[in-house]
Amino acid sequence: QLQLQESGPGLVKPSETLSLTCTVSGASISGSRYCWGWIRQPPGKGLEWIGSMYYSGSAYYSPAVKSRVTISVDTSKNQFSLNLSSVTAADTAVYFCARHISGSYWAYWGQGTLVTVSS
Amino acid sequence: QSVLTQPPSVSAAPGQKVTISCSGSSSNIGNNYVSWYQQLPGTAPKLLIYDNNKRPSGIPDRFSGSKSDTSATLAITGLQTGDEADYYCGTWDLSLSVEGVFGGGTKLTVL
Repeated sequence: QLQLQESGPGLVKPSETLSLTCTVSGASISGSRYCWGWIRQPPGKGLEWIGSMYYSGSAYYSPAVKSRVTISVDTSKNQFSLNLSSVTAADTAVYFCARHISGSYWAYWGQGTLVTVSS
Repeated sequence: QSVLTQPPSVSAAPGQKVTISCSGSSSNIGNNYVSWYQQLPGTAPKLLIYDNNKRPSGIPDRFSGSKSDTSATLAITGLQTGDEADYYCGTWDLSLSVEGVFGGGTKLTVL
């Protein structure tokens, strides 16, 4: 059974970089059919796609955060990561990692991790 | 503002049927598959419907999806109290680049 687990600091200071890792178990992250992505949900609000990455490492991002975001993969650890720079309070959210078919549905989700941006 | 438009809330009595709409445009729903997700309080979203009208294994047939032009609909029949949750539609927008998009979410209350 595929499982995803987010990890990283729960508190980040304004202007610093938010860094999260998603550890995948039950399947190889190198499977060619799938993409791996990040979605966030501000408190009390809806889902917002941040970006996705092909197994090859090439990534595509939401225009809303494109200038600040990087998604990368570490196939040796079966993990992929999110880095979001120059954070503000508006980046406070529950961050989910998930797997999707390229251009299609999100079938597997991590449990989510709350990141608060505050000094 | 979300790219896809959903009603903020819907409600119905146990045993009844409810529908949730999701409106988009030709650059998203009009030319891509739609999926639906159920989010119970404090949990991650769960895939309910994919490719407009398909159910993953384990999802009861009380849940169904449809799509017409630039809109999609989730229908839930035989409502149960356990169906109280937030529901989101999702797809991809190809207007400028490939972009994942979701509706703003609909809170279902089972009266």
